[in-house]
Amino acid sequence: AQSVAQPEDQVNVAEGNPLTVKCTYSVSGNPYLFWYVQYPNRGLQFLLKYITGDNLVKGSYGFEAEFNKSQTSFHLKKPSALVSDSALYFCAVRDGSNYQLIWGAGTKLIIKP
Amino acid sequence: EADIYQTPRYLVIGTGKKITLECSQTMGHDKMYWYQQDPGMELHLIHYSYGVNSTEKGDLSSESTVSRIRTEHFPLTLESARPSHTSQYLCASSALAGNSYEQYFGPGTRLTVT
Repeated sequence: AQSVAQPEDQVNVAEGNPLTVKCTYSVSGNPYLFWYVQYPNRGLQFLLKYITGDNLVKGSYGFEAEFNKSQTSFHLKKPSALVSDSALYFCAVRDGSNYQLIWGAGTKLIIKP
Repeated sequence: EADIYQTPRYLVIGTGKKITLECSQTMGHDKMYWYQQDPGMELHLIHYSYGVNSTEKGDLSSESTVSRIRTEHFPLTLESARPSHTSQYLCASSALAGNSYEQYFGPGTRLTVT
């Protein structure tokens, strides 16, 4: 069965430091992987996706994610965190057989000045 | 956020009332979804539609119903609201784009049932 795990409920990072938000997945076929961000009282905003090709994917707001097939991971990264990056981040995966996304539980990212 | 709209943004209503949460998108997407999300928590799919006159229940059991008479419109109705329905409701849509189906979300409706 398809699944997504975000092992950290919360990640705390000092402003200016690099950040990583972890995501691992399990699908039966080729994975389609996504990251979304949710600011308070808002809907989700699409950040980036991996479909095929380069393992390092670049997205909005300076974020990037690294696809690792052997570790079945798709970690979200940013070289230098901003206080405004503080939000809830969701990882999602779709296999090739349907249109729905399987969602992780979300990771709260807190960037401290 | 993309061109997907939800109204109302906030709603406080008494137990037993019938309510309809509106969702519209102007992107011509054929697939639409309703999620329920408690604050800061994970998303639960409650309904989805892959086209006009096609609706299905999602993974989370819900007492709500949906309809899809027009491509752009996917309203969600609660016949009799209860305090347990208090939550945030997110509408999303998707279509094939570059071999992927990323979903685009509306701003959400925060529902409080007293």
